[in-house]
Amino acid sequence: GAGVSQSPSNKVTEKGKDVELRCDPISGHTALYWYRQSLGQGLEFLIYFQGNSAPDKSGLPSDRFSAERTGGSVSTLTIQRTQQEDSAVYLCASRKRGTAYMNTEAFFGQGTRLTVV
Amino acid sequence: KQEVTQIPAALSVPEGENLVLNCSFTDSAIYNLQWFRQDPGKGLTSLLLIQSSQREQTSGRLNASLDKSSGRSTLYIAASQPGDSATYLCAVSDGGGGNKLTFGTGTQLKVEL
Repeated sequence: GAGVSQSPSNKVTEKGKDVELRCDPISGHTALYWYRQSLGQGLEFLIYFQGNSAPDKSGLPSDRFSAERTGGSVSTLTIQRTQQEDSAVYLCASRKRGTAYMNTEAFFGQGTRLTVV
Repeated sequence: KQEVTQIPAALSVPEGENLVLNCSFTDSAIYNLQWFRQDPGKGLTSLLLIQSSQREQTSGRLNASLDKSSGRSTLYIAASQPGDSATYLCAVSDGGGGNKLTFGTGTQLKVEL
């Protein structure tokens, strides 16, 4: 497939459990982003990976959230000890490396809808 | 800190009408601006990307303009159709090379028959 792929599409978990969300970016895209969209809210930036550079983790809401990107491709967002307020749609995006003056188009996956019960 | 605002929050128009969606941002030092649409329960679909050096971009019935100095962008939709009903989001990138996008809260558009 040519697009950004996320799995699972839906996840229901019990409060206190850990969850892992996966993102497969478009092949060749060096930048990868995770966003969160809570019901009725805008998109909240979580974390950004660019090539081999240290990730920008400034948006992670707590130390229960972490993400890694292996081999510069697939990324996993992990939420430990889930809470009900973690319920949201988690969106992943990727784009090609731009230049110092231009950014390229960002493409989003369909998201993972996480429900914590 | 960059803040992006979209007005109106919701809009309902009859089919066939031309319409304009607005996006404003507080820090004009952007590298580009991108418009997306989001259908209910779905991810984001990219519509148009405008680099900071450009004034407008067109794709089919869509035309996006950018006035970087005043911190504004508009998305013009011509001859609206029911299939255009969705939430439209604008996002700005503050840094070159792929820095994060800052999103507005969106305009929910409904095109009625």
